[in-house]
Amino acid sequence: QQQVKQSPQSLIVQKGGIPIINCAYENTAFDYFPWYQQFPGKGPALLIAIRPDVSEKKEGRFTISFNKSAKQFSLHIMDSQPGDSATYFCAASTYSGGSNYKLTFGKGTLLTVNP
Amino acid sequence: GAVVSQHPSWVICKSGTSVKIECRSLDFQATTMFWYRQFPKQSLMLMATSNEGSKATYEQGVEKDKFLINHASLTLSTLTVTSAHPEDSSFYICSARDQASGVREQFFGPGTRLTVL
Repeated sequence: QQQVKQSPQSLIVQKGGIPIINCAYENTAFDYFPWYQQFPGKGPALLIAIRPDVSEKKEGRFTISFNKSAKQFSLHIMDSQPGDSATYFCAASTYSGGSNYKLTFGKGTLLTVNP
Repeated sequence: GAVVSQHPSWVICKSGTSVKIECRSLDFQATTMFWYRQFPKQSLMLMATSNEGSKATYEQGVEKDKFLINHASLTLSTLTVTSAHPEDSSFYICSARDQASGVREQFFGPGTRLTVL
């Protein structure tokens, strides 16, 4: 059972546009929500993360919006550039025992930014 | 800071052989490391969590005897794929958490592409 639902599966925007990627979850035990960017053949890189007590967080051109009551969160990329073309994954973290926290990933969104 | 390396970056082996993949935290001590598998155009699936000096915790459906994980030091974890078969071909990615810093982030390695012929 997929615990983090991500949409859309793919997204094409023009340079300067604002792509929006959405994620939803059911498990209320999730308490930390990071977004990762992955280029082909590379490992994921952390972009930005948010905790559920905050409704919005901005870092550079990346913004997370978080709706705790709806159990939804989204990533906005301002002034998108062709170099932003990559696969984006949302994730959710929960305590998994001891001192460990486990990440559950969404299925990913392939973003293409056309010049 | 928070750099994780993997070696090798890609490996090709014959069916039935074993392959070892190394994951190192270069500038921090990683008491916990994670191993993921990613098939083409799919998401990351957690295989196991390893803690330094103790046995790894495997996710449901992951064969412990096939995917041997050793976390012998605070900077090194290894994944050995035993008796590899073509269906084991995948992109294997490790991540590490700097527990001492108290942050929740997992820092990911660059991945290892395994092709089993």
